[in-house]
Amino acid sequence: EIVLTQSPDFQSVTPKEKVTITCRASQSIGSSLHWYQQKPDQSPKLLIKYASQSFSGVPSRFSGSGSGTDFTLTINSLEAEDAATYYCHQSSSLPLTFGPGTKVDIK
Amino acid sequence: QLQLQESGSGLVKPSQTLSLTCAVSGGSISSGGYSWSWIRQPPGKGLEWIGYIYHSGSTYYNPSLKSRVTISVDRSKNQFSLKLSSVTAADTAVYYCARAHVGDHAFDIWGQGTMVTVSS
Repeated sequence: EIVLTQSPDFQSVTPKEKVTITCRASQSIGSSLHWYQQKPDQSPKLLIKYASQSFSGVPSRFSGSGSGTDFTLTINSLEAEDAATYYCHQSSSLPLTFGPGTKVDIK
Repeated sequence: QLQLQESGSGLVKPSQTLSLTCAVSGGSISSGGYSWSWIRQPPGKGLEWIGYIYHSGSTYYNPSLKSRVTISVDRSKNQFSLKLSSVTAADTAVYYCARAHVGDHAFDIWGQGTMVTVSS
């Protein structure tokens, strides 16, 4: 099973600040890494697929990069509505697995 | 716009079987090209993938739950279902159904989730 780790666990950020979340895989997964946003009491929403492909309708301030074992989700100019927990997910091999999540709070 | 809606018992006794259904609307589960998954999230915790089924009926389960899980599809009702046997308090969670394209297995559509509590 591929284990995903995320850092940081929690980040408190002021609006308009840049946020960087990293996801590391226990073995190489190519670009089979996806990012989701989950707000309280809501289901997760797909933001980025295949490491860097923005999903339809996602604001351009969200971007992803990386390949192999190290990946990054960047939120440029954070907005108040971006307060949420962000999860990475790998689909390189079964079972599908998720990272533990990074909670982003607005100061 | 395809939508998913979970339904089922919100309270299950320990050792019994949890049963949930995911109704697909706005599209056909038989159209192919997609996998249909169950994912769960214990209160205050992260996401755990349970397994998926293709429209053909072929399945893959998370080895951590494989001995207790059955996922099935009912094409006539345009829905798929989850059964989890011998439940314990550790199975208390919000259960989501979700769709992924077979090419990338990124979950692009999710249901709203349904809370299942295991308690006597």
